[in-house]
Amino acid sequence: DAGITQSPRHKVTETGTPVTLRCHQTENHRYMYWYRQDPGHGLRLIHYSYGVKDTDKGEVSDGYSVSRSKTEDFLLTLESATSSQTSVYFCAISATGTGGNYGYTFGSGTRLTVV
Amino acid sequence: GESVGLHLPTLSVQEGDNSIINCAYSNSASDYFIWYKQESGKGPQFIIDIRSNMDKRQGQRVTVLLNKTVKHLSLQIAATQPGDSAVYFCAETQGGSEKLVFGKGTKLTVNP
Repeated sequence: DAGITQSPRHKVTETGTPVTLRCHQTENHRYMYWYRQDPGHGLRLIHYSYGVKDTDKGEVSDGYSVSRSKTEDFLLTLESATSSQTSVYFCAISATGTGGNYGYTFGSGTRLTVV
Repeated sequence: GESVGLHLPTLSVQEGDNSIINCAYSNSASDYFIWYKQESGKGPQFIIDIRSNMDKRQGQRVTVLLNKTVKHLSLQIAATQPGDSAVYFCAETQGGSEKLVFGKGTKLTVNP
């Protein structure tokens, strides 16, 4: 998607290993979000950021940490991956945060498999 | 539980027919609603939005209707095409929140 890139697109990792997913934006938007998407659950918010070094938890934050050292990058870390964290992870960006004016722009997703 | 949900998880229509996807919300303070389309292997994409001071908004082949009395939102797609096959999500913001709340999604299948 224009202005937002997620990496890697696919990853397979072993249980207990740390994993970091990266979200990069070129829109200079203030707000960045990490969601996971699982069948039957839709999109669930993990963490979000409302500015450099300003982050907050979402509804499913256990087992995840985030960092935002500069406006364009938002990192999601699984400290010790578990099979329950197998999912598709989406990053989203927003200028306003409230969803106004077209809401969020989503990345293409990262498919993570924990074996 | 989630404050935003959908009445039907799947919808199958014939090409050329009109499609209606429904969504219910529970928070009367919600003031902004968005419909997203997600194609297989892609992230959700914005389709159309509506604010709580409106009842209806039209886009290209899509119309969103908002009924605040019964807290109901619908997405109408006219002359549905095979390219409309996707999962559709509604989402809401709760007055001043920095976050959107998403419904679980409805999968639309368009049969040729």
